[in-house]
Amino acid sequence: DSGVTQTPKHLITATGQRVTLRCSPRSGDLSVYWYQQSLDQGLQFLIQYYNGEERAKGNILERFSAQQFPDLHSELNLSSLELGDSALYFCASSPSGGQGGDIQYFGAGTRLSVL
Amino acid sequence: SQQGEEDPQALSIQEGENATMNCSYKTSINNLQWYRQNSGRGLVHLILIRSNEREKHSGRLRVTLDTSKKSSSLLITASRAADTASYFCATDEAAGNKLTFGGGTRVLVKP
Repeated sequence: DSGVTQTPKHLITATGQRVTLRCSPRSGDLSVYWYQQSLDQGLQFLIQYYNGEERAKGNILERFSAQQFPDLHSELNLSSLELGDSALYFCASSPSGGQGGDIQYFGAGTRLSVL
Repeated sequence: SQQGEEDPQALSIQEGENATMNCSYKTSINNLQWYRQNSGRGLVHLILIRSNEREKHSGRLRVTLDTSKKSSSLLITASRAADTASYFCATDEAAGNKLTFGGGTRVLVKP
């Protein structure tokens, strides 16, 4: 158990809908990262938050947004969903925010199926 | 975009044999990490090697890093059925902690 909790484990929804994925980081970790894993794109970094502020942005679509709350949990919002958004979404956390060399601890993921 | 390319894409070995997989990357890095993913589950960190290190060991794992060739290798010795998983290399660059993952190597260890 990595200590990172993601909910829900599975999500099935329809095209055009909006969903929210939730992540609770390990106790004491200040950074939260979101990744998308799909068969065609592999593991892609989406976005990082550090202590409530956006720290780095990757291949995140404009239809997607995220935030980190004062209690350090994070939510990833996916809107106007398309079939191609079906993927595993992982959250990871690490103690610090930007010097590199942090080990990232991954949650079990949320499997999103868009029908 | 993927920073790393892993080779081979898949590997099948007998229990007790060694498994070697390679990772190549494109840009300068601070650190390179290896992660394991059991089917459809979260990633588990295995080992981190810094850009100024050449070799690192952890239990049955041995990682090498050649920054001049922009490549790394992961060796699993005396493999076990429980080592069956996908293995990913991930790099982080000079600024920030964002990880860029390779495509992974699927390892099957047959009992």
